[in-house]
Amino acid sequence: DGGITQSPKYLFRKEGQNVTLSCEQNLNHDAMYWYRQDPGQGLRLIYYSQIVNDFQKGDIAEGYSVSREKKESFPLTVTSAQKNPTAFYLCASSYGQGGEKLFFGSGTQLSVL
Amino acid sequence: QKEVEQNSGPLSVPEGAIASLNCTYSDRGSQSFFWYRQYSGKSPELIMFIYSNGDKEDGRFTAQLNKASQYVSLLIRDSQPSDSATYLCAVNAGGTSYGKLTFGQGTILTVHP
Repeated sequence: DGGITQSPKYLFRKEGQNVTLSCEQNLNHDAMYWYRQDPGQGLRLIYYSQIVNDFQKGDIAEGYSVSREKKESFPLTVTSAQKNPTAFYLCASSYGQGGEKLFFGSGTQLSVL
Repeated sequence: QKEVEQNSGPLSVPEGAIASLNCTYSDRGSQSFFWYRQYSGKSPELIMFIYSNGDKEDGRFTAQLNKASQYVSLLIRDSQPSDSATYLCAVNAGGTSYGKLTFGQGTILTVHP
């Protein structure tokens, strides 16, 4: 089945630790995105990539980093510089590069120990 | 800062009634408009999209767009308890924002039997 796979479903981070969230898609989509969702709030864009080996900062990129070495994969690293990382992280992809019709993974809930 | 605002909730309607969800956006150059449904603890799923002024109907859902007023709405007819969820409005501004969706904060809808 085609889709977007995020792992892990739950992740705990210790102070000063970097953690990496995985996102893989087999939809052959060009563009991939990372969003953060805090309780009772909408989605905020962290990073997006419209093509392999290229990515752009979204609205809240500070404390995060990404890579796009393969079309299928867009991992997100939450660095120790992100002081408030507790949130629900959603990876998405779209067929074109215009952000149309996003398809989402099942999400990763990140919490701080 | 390009903004998307949704009517404050939560919204509660009886089963069988029409639920009306509203969204305004600040960027007059916005080109594409989307409604996502998100069940608690789950990822958003696309339920409607609209590009042109007027109404677009799909089953029990109708999206309405008025670019002059910078307003987009979602009507759910014959509301069912299974429609209870958070509804997210999203806007693709185009131009230098090409490839990015901006989301509203969401409106929680509860349909009671």
